Amino acid sequence: GAGVSQTPSNKVTEKGKYVELRCDPISGHTALYWYRQSLGQGPEFLIYFQGTGAADDSGLPNDRFFAVRPEGSVSTLKIQRTERGDSAVYLCASSADRGLEETQYFGPGTRLLVL
Amino acid sequence: DAKTTQPNSMESNEEEPVHLPCNHSTISGTDYIHWYRQLPSQGPEYVIHGLTSNVNNRMASLAIAEDRKSSTLILHRATLRDAAVYYCILLDRVQGAQKLVFGQGTRLTINP
Repeated sequence: GAGVSQTPSNKVTEKGKYVELRCDPISGHTALYWYRQSLGQGPEFLIYFQGTGAADDSGLPNDRFFAVRPEGSVSTLKIQRTERGDSAVYLCASSADRGLEETQYFGPGTRLLVL
Repeated sequence: DAKTTQPNSMESNEEEPVHLPCNHSTISGTDYIHWYRQLPSQGPEYVIHGLTSNVNNRMASLAIAEDRKSSTLILHRATLRDAAVYYCILLDRVQGAQKLVFGQGTRLTINP
């Protein structure tokens, strides 16, 4: 079956612009996660959805970052007034959330470059 | 979040076994030990997980110390495709679905 997909694969934008990053999770997965990975670092948690609601958004760095998952499937990460420091790979993962079967499946990521 | 400690890098030769260590001295009784790896330019992928007993799957084996304060991921016969960053992560099963807390991981280099 299809894995987690993310679009676009690459995004170049200018400082101050607005960007949207999309994540299509594995069909039927109720849990969806966003992570951010800077060069040479491990992924860093941003936000986690259980169904349509954000169960944990403690990793969002500031109010310029926002994410939605209106129908409990596709999610969009939105970044307002982008800054050069937002440049990173944004990773999405989904899981079935069946307790012991809590394996997260990651997409290939969106590489964001803010000039 | 419970912490794990891993060497920054390791190197091995193709077709030889690789033992990747992880220390987690503050592990709690409900923490599972998970390993993920990240190949170049890809998202992380699940490798294996365990609680107390040693575990085997098609990708690797996980050896867990009796006191659970350390574990070792074993790749029995490394290939060039195993070159990746390997992350050891603790997850508290009592909490159900939860974020992964990645450290720096171990960058594994495989020599042909």
